[in-house]
Amino acid sequence: GAVVSQHPSWVICKSGTSVKIECRSLDFQATTMFWYRQFPKQSLMLMATSNEGSKATYEQGVEKDKFLINHASLTLSTLTVTSAHPEDSSFYICSASTGSLSDTQYFGPGTRLTVL
Amino acid sequence: GQQLNQSPQSMFIQEGEDVSMNCTSSSIFNTWLWYKQDPGEGPVLLIALYKAGELTSNGRLTAQFGITRKDSFLNISASIPSDVGIYFCAGHYAGGTSYGKLTFGQGTILTVHP
Repeated sequence: GAVVSQHPSWVICKSGTSVKIECRSLDFQATTMFWYRQFPKQSLMLMATSNEGSKATYEQGVEKDKFLINHASLTLSTLTVTSAHPEDSSFYICSASTGSLSDTQYFGPGTRLTVL
Repeated sequence: GQQLNQSPQSMFIQEGEDVSMNCTSSSIFNTWLWYKQDPGEGPVLLIALYKAGELTSNGRLTAQFGITRKDSFLNISASIPSDVGIYFCAGHYAGGTSYGKLTFGQGTILTVHP
C-alpha cells in the first residue's frame, strides 16, 4: 500500500520550453501533496504544498508563476516548470499524504529534469 | 524556523557492524519519520514514530522518539551491503502554519564494505 508514482522519471528539454511532471497516489486518496526539489548530495527542499481543489501554498523564494502546481483530484497533482532554464535542472520529488494530523508522507520515485 | 541536526553526516562501516544515527531539533515534533533514499530514487519510509518515548522496530532497524520530542535515533543492526544509501530523519509538527510539512535532516550517507 501507499504507492506514489511520478511521470516521467526523467526528461531533457530545451531552454525556454515548459515541462509537466505528474504525481499520482495509486492506492490511496491524497488530500495533500507536496513538491520537493533536491540537489546532488543535499536534503530535500520543500517547494510547495498542494491541497486538492485549492491553490498551492508556495515556500518563500519559490516563484509560483515559474512552478505551476495543479491538484485537480485526490490522486493527481502536476508540477509544470514554465520557460525552463538550465538552473532549473534538478531532481523533483513529490509526496502524498491523507492530510491527517499525524499522517505520513509517501514519496514518489522522483523526476530528473535536465534543461539544455 | 524549525531546524534538524542529523549526525553523523557519513559513515563507513564493515558488513555485519551495527550503525547508529540521530537527529535533534530546536523545537518539538509530533511525529518523527526515518527514510532511506537510494541514488536516483525517492525516499522510502522505514519507520514512523507518533508518540514520545515510542520504540519501534522494522526488521534490523530500530528507532525511538525521544521523551523530550526533540530528538530521535535510528539503529541498524548487522549491516549488509544493501543498507548502503542516504538516511534522512524528518519531523512533522501538526500546528500553526507548518501543518503537514516535514522538516528534514541533512542526511547520513552510509557506506558498507563487504
